[in-house]
Amino acid sequence: GQQLNQSPQSMFIQEGEDVSMNCTSSSIFNTWLWYKQEPGEGPVLLIALYKAGELTSNGRLTAQFGITRKDSFLNISASIPSDVGIYFCAGQDRSGTYKYIFGTGTRLKVLA
Amino acid sequence: GAVVSQHPSWVICKSGTSVKIECRSLDFQATTMFWYRQFPKQSLMLMATSNEGSKATYEQGVEKDKFLINHASLTLSTLTVTSAHPEDSSFYICSARLGGQPQHFGDGTRLSIL
Repeated sequence: GQQLNQSPQSMFIQEGEDVSMNCTSSSIFNTWLWYKQEPGEGPVLLIALYKAGELTSNGRLTAQFGITRKDSFLNISASIPSDVGIYFCAGQDRSGTYKYIFGTGTRLKVLA
Repeated sequence: GAVVSQHPSWVICKSGTSVKIECRSLDFQATTMFWYRQFPKQSLMLMATSNEGSKATYEQGVEKDKFLINHASLTLSTLTVTSAHPEDSSFYICSARLGGQPQHFGDGTRLSIL
């Protein structure tokens, strides 16, 4: 099935550093979402974006909906060890089915 | 709020067995539930979309007779993997949504077929 391109694929960073990851698509989406998944668990919603250009924060996390509606990025400021996990972007299908197409994921590891 | 419970969290069974996985929305009535499959170190792949009281819509390549979905109420959907074989071993995750709200995910079921 279709997947969104997410980069980087993985990141090793020092605690306290800022993190940036992005997601691109060949298709336009009306809604972009960012989820975090930890081992053996389901994804947890971090941020949902509904409008092109929208910039939304959730604590140390900030995400933006690209103007072209074909991309989105997620920033994490001042990373901490519990930020470890896999971050997935998702675009909501415009067909009215509310289906999501997921990105390939960014695996984040934080070194204390 | 928006809690989705999935059961069981882990199951091991013999080849040829049928396995049922339950997905419940605990504090809201889900308009739609979704079933995903995730292989190790890969992303989530949608298997089917399920609306209460109607037949599930399966994604291309997903066998509807293999993966039976029942959505009997606004808070419960079940996925039955029929005559499971080792290649069906995977992490199965459900999600639920209400109206135009984001999907909320269960904690997944790890299925291992011996």
